[in-house]
Amino acid sequence: GDSVTQMEGPVTLSEEAFLTINCTYTATGYPSLFWYVQYPGEGLQLLLKATKADDKGSNKGFEATYRKETTSFHLEKGSVQVSDSAVYFCALSERTGNQFYFGTGTSLTVIP
Amino acid sequence: NAGVTQTPKFRILKIGQSMTLQCAQDMNHNYMYWYRQDPGMGLKLIYYSVGAGITDKGEVPNGYNVSRSTTEDFPLRLELAAPSQTSVYFCASRPQGAVMETQYFGPGTRLLVL
Repeated sequence: GDSVTQMEGPVTLSEEAFLTINCTYTATGYPSLFWYVQYPGEGLQLLLKATKADDKGSNKGFEATYRKETTSFHLEKGSVQVSDSAVYFCALSERTGNQFYFGTGTSLTVIP
Repeated sequence: NAGVTQTPKFRILKIGQSMTLQCAQDMNHNYMYWYRQDPGMGLKLIYYSVGAGITDKGEVPNGYNVSRSTTEDFPLRLELAAPSQTSVYFCASRPQGAVMETQYFGPGTRLLVL
């Protein structure tokens, strides 16, 4: 079945450091891939998405490229800020399905 | 638009009690979902609905029931609360259509079963 595997956290970085959160997936078809962010006490918000191989999703300085050959969708940011502290979830959705599959989430803390 | 709303925000239940978690959306979305999020874990799908009158089980449906009598509302029922149901519950909705569409999440209901 479909599944998403994320790097385990928590991750602690200093402000302006480079961020990578790894995400790999298993899917039977041709899924769309997403990164969601959850700030403390809030629901999940869509951060970025990619719908086909080699697409790059980007938003708020975050980027992720859909790599079909490595079944990966790693999240990157060149210079993190304290306000980026949150939990990040990788997710996929099959085009022919109506369900989402979420990874376990990676907690990020950015210290000044 | 209010988006996806959930009530209550927080509730404490005793073992064996029952309650209904409310979820409503005003975006005319066909698809609605209920997830639970346990500490340090990802979201697990409990039930989903593709339209009024149609519901289906997700990954972890045991101990829960749902109904979908209108497009707007998708309540989640716990009949006999157990400590294992202590979690944060998120409702979500999305429109039917292109693959690029994604879910809109409510703010969550925190449930504690003692």
